[in-house]
Amino acid sequence: AQKITQTQPGMFVQEKEAVTLDCTYDTSDQSYGLFWYKQPSSGEMIFLIYQGSYDEQNATEGRYSLNFQKARKSANLVISASQLGDSAMYFCAMRVRGYGQNFVFGPGTRLSVLP
Amino acid sequence: EAGVVQSPRYKIIEKKQPVAFWCNPISGHNTLYWYLQNLGQGPELLIRYENEEAVDDSQLPKDRFSAERLKGVDSTLKIQPAELGDSAVYLCASSPGTSLGEQYFGPGTRLTVT
Repeated sequence: AQKITQTQPGMFVQEKEAVTLDCTYDTSDQSYGLFWYKQPSSGEMIFLIYQGSYDEQNATEGRYSLNFQKARKSANLVISASQLGDSAMYFCAMRVRGYGQNFVFGPGTRLSVLP
Repeated sequence: EAGVVQSPRYKIIEKKQPVAFWCNPISGHNTLYWYLQNLGQGPELLIRYENEEAVDDSQLPKDRFSAERLKGVDSTLKIQPAELGDSAVYLCASSPGTSLGEQYFGPGTRLTVT
């Protein structure tokens, strides 16, 4: 079965500090993609970063980086230099080639950035 | 490039009434998804289209939900009759093809059933 686990329902971080949001996944497929999305209170889902299962280097996009540990099946999101606008729900998701390429989402982590 | 467009943004209806949501994906995106998102939870897939074909509707409650994507472009999701438990956000997303790339979401329709 394809499953995403996010064990942190809520996280707090001080402005300008770095924060790591945890994500573990479960799949027996060798070909998959891992994604992080941000959902502010306004409701739209914003794509942040992508990691392919065969990518050897960790993905980075500006202040976002993905700490990909394939053997541990983890894909943690690291946000550096947190900003007040980073306060939102963050969802980890997986897309598996052998699963009809559907996306499976985790339950999310609510991040609150404190001034 | 225009993003995924959804309408309406908000809808309030009484239970047992019908309701329809519309989605126009990003131009050229063959794959279209409808998701249901309950408060504080991640999106759950309702149906996935590849062009005009519904390739995965296993999670769609077919007794009251229906969807169509007649010309392989825009899509409509309908609920008839609506129940109180259908109150949620309905998200539409699209992606360009069969690669493992990202999907792009619309702003969603927040449905309240009273």
